[in-house]
Amino acid sequence: SYVLTQPPSVSVAPGKTARVTCGGNNIGSKSVHWYQQRPGQAPVLVVYDDRDRPSGIPERFSGSNSGDTATLIISRVEAGDEADYYCQVWDSSNDHFVFGSGTTVTVL
Amino acid sequence: QVQLAQSGAEVKKPGASVKVSCRVSGYTFSYFYLHWVRQAPGQGLEWMGKINPSDASATYTDNFMGRVSLTRETSTATFFMELRGLRFDDTAVYFCCRQSMLEYFDYWGQGSLITVSS
Repeated sequence: SYVLTQPPSVSVAPGKTARVTCGGNNIGSKSVHWYQQRPGQAPVLVVYDDRDRPSGIPERFSGSNSGDTATLIISRVEAGDEADYYCQVWDSSNDHFVFGSGTTVTVL
Repeated sequence: QVQLAQSGAEVKKPGASVKVSCRVSGYTFSYFYLHWVRQAPGQGLEWMGKINPSDASATYTDNFMGRVSLTRETSTATFFMELRGLRFDDTAVYFCCRQSMLEYFDYWGQGSLITVSS
């Protein structure tokens, strides 16, 4: 089965840029989606199809995807961005959906 | 507006079964696949499976060894996830979520906490 690997944690100062990576075999050939989850809440989609944002999500959230790594980029980080972030792809080989292990973003 | 309303928390004994419901509204029931995702305490998201509301066909991850069943009731626009042979490590929050026209989840239920305890 397809495996997505994320770093357990990322720390960033307010106003700086946070980058959360998601590694997978040739992940650049897949569409990657990102979710933000605050404690006690359901996940919220923040980026879909590698780099697009749903309505209502700040422009500070963006993404990239190439080779074996996809990246969620949070610019001008704010205290409210502190949360867990998960990447997700669809594995067409077995029609299964896969989540990464999740990354906790801490704002210093 | 699109809403997914899940049933409440339950406490079950090991070996028992649980059936969690997810009532959807604000969109055409048959147009979108419905998925189930669980999250054990302090852990990440785990995809369980999906159901096609049009024909009730379902796809499951291998991790549950046939212990899970996904069904739907069209008359009430409600989806169900049944997990049998509960174990202590099935303690988790279970989410339902709608798949968009592409392969991501655009709306989520609030989650249902299932606790397995003797």
